[in-house]
Amino acid sequence: ILNVEQSPQSLHVQEGDSTNFTCSFPSSNFYALHWYRWETAKSPEALFVMTLNGDEKKKGRISATLNTKEGYSYLYIKGSQPEDSATYLCAWAAGGTSYGKLTFGQGTILTVHP
Amino acid sequence: KAGVTQTPRYLIKTRGQQVTLSCSPISGHRSVSWYQQTPGQGLQFLFEYFSETQRNKGNFPGRFSGRQFSNSRSEMNVSTLELGDSALYLCASSGPYEQYFGPGTRLTVT
Repeated sequence: ILNVEQSPQSLHVQEGDSTNFTCSFPSSNFYALHWYRWETAKSPEALFVMTLNGDEKKKGRISATLNTKEGYSYLYIKGSQPEDSATYLCAWAAGGTSYGKLTFGQGTILTVHP
Repeated sequence: KAGVTQTPRYLIKTRGQQVTLSCSPISGHRSVSWYQQTPGQGLQFLFEYFSETQRNKGNFPGRFSGRQFSNSRSEMNVSTLELGDSALYLCASSGPYEQYFGPGTRLTVT
């Protein structure tokens, strides 16, 4: 069984705080690691897809890093805002012809209080 | 570029019936994947179609099936519905790396 684990399960922060989440995944047969933000009643929104060890991606106040050798990725949010409240999901894709099959973690539920 | 569309958005069915859900991917994407989301299990992979062929399959019973047409549109079918099939069904349209999700179909089985 190939597991993707995310921690913490939930997080409550104050507006302006910076925060980070962890995603661990199998380090063998790695193809890509995806991060999504999922707000209630909306589609999961693609944040990043990372494929190379050491990749760092940034989008506004959100950034992510990737370590494929040890099988983990971090997502950082700098200066959290209430609109950042959502579930953050990571998903792992294996190599070969399996890149369309994503294995998701259970997600981290972020609540940002004004 | 239009996003991924799914129809219908909401559906109520009775146990024992069958249901068909539809997904239109982003133009140019040849891969469509389907996922089931339930509160206890999170997002679970059902199957992926690429160029009209099933390329990957998740661990779901044979009651769950799908197909893809030459225009890359995909349908999934669930036969002999059970109460446990109540879930949000998401389809995703993939390029070589990125995967974009539709709004989902909320299926309720009574």
